[in-house]
Amino acid sequence: KQEVTQIPAALSVPEGENLVLNCSFTDSAIYNLQWFRQDPGKGLTSLLLIQSSQREQTSGRLNASLDKSSGRSTLYIAASQPGDSATYLCADLRGTALIFGKGTTLSVSS
Amino acid sequence: DADVTQTPRNRITKTGKRIMLECSQTKGHDRMYWYRQDPGLGLRLIYYSFDVKDINKGEISDGYSVSRQAQAKFSLSLESAIPNQTALYFCAIRGSGANVLTFGAGSRLTVL
Repeated sequence: KQEVTQIPAALSVPEGENLVLNCSFTDSAIYNLQWFRQDPGKGLTSLLLIQSSQREQTSGRLNASLDKSSGRSTLYIAASQPGDSATYLCADLRGTALIFGKGTTLSVSS
Repeated sequence: DADVTQTPRNRITKTGKRIMLECSQTKGHDRMYWYRQDPGLGLRLIYYSFDVKDINKGEISDGYSVSRQAQAKFSLSLESAIPNQTALYFCAIRGSGANVLTFGAGSRLTVL
């Protein structure tokens, strides 16, 4: 059974720092890997989708990569801002089983 | 209009009451999902549907039922609400193939 783990559960950084959020999975047969952002009490906003044939996707200050051989995806955030403070979740979108990690809560201080 | 609309956004009810949460979408996607989110437990799948005639249980379907009234509408019902069903409920949609999963804004349910 696929398990998706996100470590650390929480991260605090000063504004302007570049940072990496990690997502690891036990079954390397990932189909699609999607990263989301969730603000407190709000819905999930899609950030990036990496399809199985791709290795990375970029959107603005965000870059997500997928390494199936190591069972890992990373979300890189450049020049972090206080507005980036949120919980970030990754999900393995395979077939009927959409498996989510529990998220990393990021706090960026000004 | 939002791609996925959930109603109500907030609901407070009493133990034993029947509750319906509604979800509608404007994207024409076949796949619709209901999740609940609890602190420390993450997102858990309740039910999912791949079309009007295809409804499937997720990992925590006990105490819930669903209805896919049309391709665009997928409702979640709690026949007799209990306090441990207090949670944030999300509807999500996805097209066939390598499409992104899109969530609604959520319905916060409190059962007293």
